Amino acid sequence: GAVVSQHPSWVICKSGTSVKIECRSLDFQATTMFWYRQFPKQSLMLMATSNEGSKATYEQGVEKDKFLINHASLTLSTLTVTSAHPEDSSFYICSALPNYSRSNSPLHFGNGTRLTVT
Amino acid sequence: RKEVEQDPGPFNVPEGATVAFNCTYSNSASQSFFWYRQDCRKEPKLLMSVYSSGNEDGRFTAQLNRASQYISLLIRDSKLSDSATYLCVVNPPRNTDKLIFGTGTRLQVFP
Repeated sequence: GAVVSQHPSWVICKSGTSVKIECRSLDFQATTMFWYRQFPKQSLMLMATSNEGSKATYEQGVEKDKFLINHASLTLSTLTVTSAHPEDSSFYICSALPNYSRSNSPLHFGNGTRLTVT
Repeated sequence: RKEVEQDPGPFNVPEGATVAFNCTYSNSASQSFFWYRQDCRKEPKLLMSVYSSGNEDGRFTAQLNRASQYISLLIRDSKLSDSATYLCVVNPPRNTDKLIFGTGTRLQVFP
């Protein structure tokens, strides 16, 4: 149980274009999903908390106009990297918190999206 | 000081060895703790939660020392397949869903 699917697994795009990444909870509903970014040899850094039906909460230093998050249903959150630049190249990972979770439950992660901007 | 600190390693150990990793956290009011495993270019996967009394899962033992603010992971009888990066993860107070990740400790088990 608690399967999270992320798509695409990898994407290469040209500088200035936008890229959309999808995160789906396959067998549970999730009011809350999280988006992380990981640069090589660094830890996962939380970018934003996605809340179904309301605006996402962004971490300090993350530009909300550049990283657009939409969480329109209880099983899908999307992250759009707008006007991507080479420095946005990274490993983006989503996670979802099942609505049935108790507090302090661990998170389950999607398989990640490796973005390369040329 | 980082919220969660780990020795990046790498720890190079032979098969069958016992290896231990430590992790320190800065916020004494942190609520919950986990060890995740991350293989190269893959997503993290939960290895085990860490309970106050310590807990064991097969060859893996996790312990928490709240007084000294560190958690540990012990791996006995290392296998080649244990080679990975082990992430120490802490749930800060007042937010039970937002996890803080350490940079990870890399383990390489050789034949």
